[in-house]
Amino acid sequence: EVQLVQSGAEVKKPGESLKISCKGSGYSFTNYWIGWVRQMPGKGLEWMGIIYPGDSDTRYSPSFQGQVTISADKSISTAYLQWSSLKASDTAMYYCARRAGGLQFEFDYWGQGTLVTVSS
Amino acid sequence: QSALTQPASVSGSPGQSITISCTGTSSDVGNYNYVSWYQQHPGKAPKLMIYEVSNRPSGVPDRFSGSKSGNTASLTISGLQAEDEADYYCSSYTSSSAGVVFGGGTKLTVL
Repeated sequence: EVQLVQSGAEVKKPGESLKISCKGSGYSFTNYWIGWVRQMPGKGLEWMGIIYPGDSDTRYSPSFQGQVTISADKSISTAYLQWSSLKASDTAMYYCARRAGGLQFEFDYWGQGTLVTVSS
Repeated sequence: QSALTQPASVSGSPGQSITISCTGTSSDVGNYNYVSWYQQHPGKAPKLMIYEVSNRPSGVPDRFSGSKSGNTASLTISGLQAEDEADYYCSSYTSSSAGVVFGGGTKLTVL
């Protein structure tokens, strides 16, 4: 069974750093792109970027380029999303999702989400 | 990149059919058949309902169907059921960033 399990909720202060994780299981982690999606409170989904764990090829949405870093450790089947200096506007639910194989662009499996709260 | 345009809300009675539109541009919906639809219930992760415009993943009822004409894609739900009440998001590949863009979401209310 394909599963993506994300790390738990975080409460941080502005200016702090943070790294959240997404562990894949039940499939060949290195052969599927993993994406990150932001959902701010009461708002819609936003595509942040995507990584191919096999070679760490990474693409970012122009809206998030330079704001976050996406990485992966294929040895432990885990993808990461990190911030070096959080802002209050980073408060949101963050989902990781697996992009279906081949030349497809849909996300077929999703993590349960990680709620990040940034408040002084 | 701009989000795809969806109506904020739609509603229908049990048993009826509804259609949700998703309007993009020639950089996304209009020139690529990589349109997907997701269902999201409150407090839950999104679930893939339609991919590549009109394909249904295994386990998704055939009451859900997708189509596309020009720059606009559509999701149709026939035989509405109470459990269909949720938020629905479209998405598409976009050549403007070689990534994906989502629609703003549509809240479906089953009356």
